Amino acid sequence: EDKVVQSPLSLVVHEGDTVTLNCSYEVTNFRSLLWYKQEKKAPTFLFMLTSSGIEKKSGRLSSILDKKELFSILNITATQTGDSAIYLCAVEAGGANNLFFGTGTRLTVIP
Amino acid sequence: GAGVSQSPRYKVAKRGQDVALRCDPISGHVSLFWYQQALGQGPEFLTYFQNEAQLDKSGLPSDRFFAERPEGSVSTLKIQRTQQEDSAVYLCASSPAFLGTQYFGPGTRLLVL
Repeated sequence: EDKVVQSPLSLVVHEGDTVTLNCSYEVTNFRSLLWYKQEKKAPTFLFMLTSSGIEKKSGRLSSILDKKELFSILNITATQTGDSAIYLCAVEAGGANNLFFGTGTRLTVIP
Repeated sequence: GAGVSQSPRYKVAKRGQDVALRCDPISGHVSLFWYQQALGQGPEFLTYFQNEAQLDKSGLPSDRFFAERPEGSVSTLKIQRTQQEDSAVYLCASSPAFLGTQYFGPGTRLLVL
């Protein structure tokens, strides 16, 4: 059974801290891994990773994929209160074009 | 440019009532997906369209759930004889190609009483 597991489930940090969110997966016919930020209802796209070892970066956020160990991390440096959200990891796999989501990591950044 | 839009944003239904949820994808996006997101969970795949063709409906939880996209643009997810366990946020996403990033709408929060 295809599975995506995120950890930790929740995290509370102070502004300025650096956080690392984890996503591991077991899927058949992996194609890509995506990170989303969900603040209210709709997840907004952050990164799409298809190759191992290549870091993707956007401002204070960065992510990397390890296809051998089947995991990805999302780093956020110098966190701000606006980073408070649920961060979802999703894996595109299998014969059909759909995403398998983890349950998310709820990040709370305290001023 | 407009993103994915969904309507209604909120829907309260009595148990047994039929509901219809609408999704307007980003113009030109050929792929359209429906997801169900229960409280505290990640989105769960329901069904997928490539243009007007429903290529995968393996995630629909029962035959009370039906989705269509007759002209390859707007899609409707219909739930017949709603049950309390159908209460969730229903997310629609569209993608410009068969393999591509999915962009999500704001979702419809359905509450079945």
